[in-house]
Amino acid sequence: DIQLTQSPSSLSPSVGDRVTITCRASRGIENYLAWYQKKPGKAPKVLIYPATTLQSGVPSRFSGSGSGTGFSLTISSLQPEDSATYYCQQLYNYPLTFGGGTKVEI
Amino acid sequence: EVQLLQSGGGLVQPGDSLRLSCAASGFTFGSYALSWVRQLPGKGLEWVSAISNTGDTTYFADSVKGRFTISRDNSRDILYLHMNSLRAEDTAVYYCAKVADIWGQGTLVTVSS
Repeated sequence: DIQLTQSPSSLSPSVGDRVTITCRASRGIENYLAWYQKKPGKAPKVLIYPATTLQSGVPSRFSGSGSGTGFSLTISSLQPEDSATYYCQQLYNYPLTFGGGTKVEI
Repeated sequence: EVQLLQSGGGLVQPGDSLRLSCAASGFTFGSYALSWVRQLPGKGLEWVSAISNTGDTTYFADSVKGRFTISRDNSRDILYLHMNSLRAEDTAVYYCAKVADIWGQGTLVTVSS
C-alpha cells in the first residue's frame, strides 16, 4: 500500500498568512494526487486534482505543486473561511490512501 | 444538478448488518468507478471500498475485507455498501464518492450495544 505522510499535523496562522502543507508518498504516484478541504459536519470538498489543477469554483489563492513522491498545497493569503482540516489522497492505485490531515486553525 | 444522495445508516448492535445506498444524478453513472470513504469519530478520512464502472471489479480496505461488500445498479444509478458483522470500530460517518469530484452528504453509522 502507498503511504501518504502529511505535515504539519496542525498550524495556527493568521489571516493573510501564506500557508504550505506538504504530502509525501512512500513511492511514486505521478500526479495522481488530490487535495481536499474538510469542515466539521460537511463532506470533503476537492480543491485540486490532479496535483496542480485547481478545481472549478475554488479560489485562486489555493495552488498545488509536485509530482512523483513530493507534493504541496499552498494557500497564498489565508482567509477566515479557510479554517478546516486539509487532506491529500493518492488515486494512483488501490487502496486509495489518505494523508493524516492538517488542521488549520485561524 | 450533479449530486450523490445517501440513505441508510443509523444505530445497530455489534454483529448486525446494514446497507447504505447512494443515488446519483446529473452525470453518466455507469461511466465511473465509485468509492466509499469513512471518517471515524475524531479521526481522519479512511478509504473503505471501491467498485469499477461496470461493477466487475471491487476493492476493499483490509479493515473491512470479508465483512463489507460493494455493489451498484447501473440501471438505477445507485451505489450500495453492504456491511456485515459490524463492530464498534466501524462507527463512523460514511461517504459515497466519485473520488476527487463529487461526494455524498454523509451518513452516520453507530455500532453499539
